[in-house]
Amino acid sequence: DVKVTQSSRYLVKRTGEKVFLECVQDMDHENMFWYRQDPGLGLRLIYFSYDVKMKEKGDIPEGYSVSREKKERFSLILESASTNQTSMYLCASSLRAGLGKETQYFGPGTRLLVL
Amino acid sequence: TQLLEQSPQFLSIQEGENLTVYCNSSSVFSSLQWYRQEPGEGPVLLVTVVTGGEVKKLKRLTFQFGDARKDSSLHITAAQPGDTGLYLCAGRAGGTSYGKLTFGQGTILTVHP
Repeated sequence: DVKVTQSSRYLVKRTGEKVFLECVQDMDHENMFWYRQDPGLGLRLIYFSYDVKMKEKGDIPEGYSVSREKKERFSLILESASTNQTSMYLCASSLRAGLGKETQYFGPGTRLLVL
Repeated sequence: TQLLEQSPQFLSIQEGENLTVYCNSSSVFSSLQWYRQEPGEGPVLLVTVVTGGEVKKLKRLTFQFGDARKDSSLHITAAQPGDTGLYLCAGRAGGTSYGKLTFGQGTILTVHP
């Protein structure tokens, strides 16, 4: 069974703090993704990575950065948290695209509140 | 940027009723997936459709991919309280997209006993 774990289920931070969200997958997947989920907006892609040390911006990268030093681990960094970054953050992983049927496996999410 | 419009946003029905959720776009997708998410959990894949006109059935759930691969629908027959959850459609563009998906806004389904 694929397992994607996220470092925290709930997080409360102050405006201006640096925030690290960590994601680990155990299925040797090449692709990893960070999304934020807000009511009525679905899932929006922040960043994704298709290999170690490789990253590409998604649809809403502003205010975020990422790090992928090891294949199994993908970190999302909020350099200076702001209240509009209060959200549910979901990490996902998948095999390298090629067949058009790749499943994304999601972690349980981190609910971040920025005060 | 490709967009997927999902409707309705909310559905509240009684056990035993039928329902359909729609997912529409002006863009063509190489494949389309449906995910279901329960409170406190991440989305879980239900089905992937890849061929225009394709119909897939999963027990009481029927998924259809439009002929032009721009839209999809999810039909649930005789809904049960266990079907309650957030349903998300997600489309994958062709080419070197590294498996990126575009998600619809989601449909929150509540089935009352």
